[in-house]
Amino acid sequence: EVQLVQSGAEVKKPGESLKISCRVSGYHLLNNWIAWVRQMPGKGLEWIGIIYPGDSDARYSPSFQGQVTMSVDKSIGTAYLEWSSLKASDTAMYYCARRELDSSGYHNWFDPWGQGTLVTVSS
Amino acid sequence: EIVMTQSPATLSVSPGERATLSCRASQSVGSNLAWYQQKPGQAPRLLIYGASTRASGIPARFSASGSGTEFTLSISSLQSEDFAVYFCQQYDNWPPRYTFGQGTKLEIK
Repeated sequence: EVQLVQSGAEVKKPGESLKISCRVSGYHLLNNWIAWVRQMPGKGLEWIGIIYPGDSDARYSPSFQGQVTMSVDKSIGTAYLEWSSLKASDTAMYYCARRELDSSGYHNWFDPWGQGTLVTVSS
Repeated sequence: EIVMTQSPATLSVSPGERATLSCRASQSVGSNLAWYQQKPGQAPRLLIYGASTRASGIPARFSASGSGTEFTLSISSLQSEDFAVYFCQQYDNWPPRYTFGQGTKLEIK
């Protein structure tokens, strides 16, 4: 069974750094891009970015470029999302998801998703 | 940047009836559209990709259509477990880029 298991909830203060993780199992990390998605409290889904574990090619949404950093550790099958200086507005649920392709290689989608990591930033 | 607009924001339908949700793109996305379902406290779940292809394990009462800028997700004979929030998502293959709609909450009437 393919699973993405995310690290636990975090409570941080503004200005602190944070790195959350997404460990994959049931498939080889190198086979698929990994996406990150933000969901602020009571709001919709926002695409943060996507990273290819094979060579760490990372693509960011313009809204998140420079705000977060995606990375991977291939040796332990884990992807990361990192902040160097958190803001209260970073308070949200963060999901990782595997990008899948259809047989044509044209259509793609996010499946499965991790269970989410709740990040709370408050002084 | 492509903007995805879903309507209505909230849809009230009785169990057993049909629900029709809409998603509009600000410019053509071809058939590069997916639909996701999210229940409270859960991660989103893939329903549809390629605008009309049901994902594995998704019941046949879920159907979707559309291309270009207008898309529809229909759920026939609503079951209790179908009441949730639904998001559409457009995708660009290269460079990879994704945009979600703001969601439609399907509630029990």
